[in-house]
Amino acid sequence: AQSVTQLDSQVPVFEEAPVELRCNYSSSVSVYLFWYVQYPNQGLQLLLKYLSGSTLVKGINGFEAEFNKSQTSFHLRKPSVHISDTAEYFCAVSDGNTGNQFYFGTGTSLTVIP
Amino acid sequence: DAGVTQSPTHLIKTRGQQVTLRCSPKSGHDTVSWYQQALGQGPQFIFQYYEEEERQRGNFPDRFSGHQFPNYSSELNVNALLLGDSALYLCASSLAGVQGVYEQYFGPGTRLTVT
Repeated sequence: AQSVTQLDSQVPVFEEAPVELRCNYSSSVSVYLFWYVQYPNQGLQLLLKYLSGSTLVKGINGFEAEFNKSQTSFHLRKPSVHISDTAEYFCAVSDGNTGNQFYFGTGTSLTVIP
Repeated sequence: DAGVTQSPTHLIKTRGQQVTLRCSPKSGHDTVSWYQQALGQGPQFIFQYYEEEERQRGNFPDRFSGHQFPNYSSELNVNALLLGDSALYLCASSLAGVQGVYEQYFGPGTRLTVT
């Protein structure tokens, strides 16, 4: 089974500063990778996904992530954050061979400080 | 185009009772997955339904069961509720591909409180 580690449980950052949320996964076999955002009392919204191809993936709201197979990482970045980016962010992985079960990390709470 | 919908929004039950949660997938999707999200945790996979069959199951006891209907909607049933079953239950829909699902769209969830 896969496991996902989000190294930072809380990340405070000032408005308009860059941010990186870190994610590592356990297996080096073929995987699909995802980042989701969850606002208070809401479900999860897909930010971006990596299935294959270019290792730099661009998503919604100015976010991007880079797939690094050798380091089994999929870190999320944004060059300039806004107050509205304050939310919980989850990294998820599924097995690229079976693709059915998604494994989620424990989440990173991003707080943007005015 | 309606997204994934879930009902009810909130539910309060007593230990030992049974509960049924409902999910309607996004239009055009044929696969439904259920997740349990405890407070402060990431979602944990319960099971996935495709073509009215349970295709894959996570590490949850048999008290958790489900069903998928011909219109692709789904139910999650939990019997003999425990206090530890209190959580946000998320439904995710997807379109099955050659190698499983490629992305999932989540509903707003049902908040279950067991007292």
